[in-house]
Amino acid sequence: DGGITQSPKYLFRKEGQNVTLSCEQNLNHDAMYWYRQDPGQGLRLIYYSQIVNDFQKGDIAEGYSVSREKKESFPLTVTSAQKNPTAFYLCASTLTGAANYGYTFGSGTRLTVV
Amino acid sequence: GQSLEQPSEVTAVEGAIVQINCTYQTSGFYGLSWYQQHDGGAPTFLSYNGLDGLEETGRFSSFLSRSDSYGYLLLQELQMKDSASYFCAVMPGGYNKLIFGAGTRLAVHP
Repeated sequence: DGGITQSPKYLFRKEGQNVTLSCEQNLNHDAMYWYRQDPGQGLRLIYYSQIVNDFQKGDIAEGYSVSREKKESFPLTVTSAQKNPTAFYLCASTLTGAANYGYTFGSGTRLTVV
Repeated sequence: GQSLEQPSEVTAVEGAIVQINCTYQTSGFYGLSWYQQHDGGAPTFLSYNGLDGLEETGRFSSFLSRSDSYGYLLLQELQMKDSASYFCAVMPGGYNKLIFGAGTRLAVHP
């Protein structure tokens, strides 16, 4: 079955560490996205990518970095510069130019700073 | 910039009808979408309105009025499993990114 796989499901980070969240899709979607969700709040866009080797900053990109070396993969690195990284991180993908298609989301990674 | 407003909480009983409103302000507009998210889960796509009017999908319908910058999600014959958060989202400048509202938490009671 096609879908988006995020790993790990839970991640604990020490102060000052960089951590990388994995996102892989086998839906042959062009566009991929990273969102952050804080308790009881909406989704805020971190980074997005329309094609391989290209990506754009979203509304809260500071302290995060991404790469898009393969169509299927869009990993997110939470750097030590991100001062409040504890949150639920969601990866999504969709077909470019198909507004009515909707986004498919992964099951998320819950990151906690210890 | 973009902003979306939707009620934070709505409560209803099984079998009832509930309407969740969403007003938006965006620079450019390519449609209004709705997503459902159960606690701890991933959001799932419910509907998309690119033009004014009503779109119906089973028990759920979504409406858009671009002149009023307003839309709503209508849930009929409510079931306990409909208890979830519902997010409206807009594409402000093209088919490249979605901006989400803060979400409406729907609680369905027996």
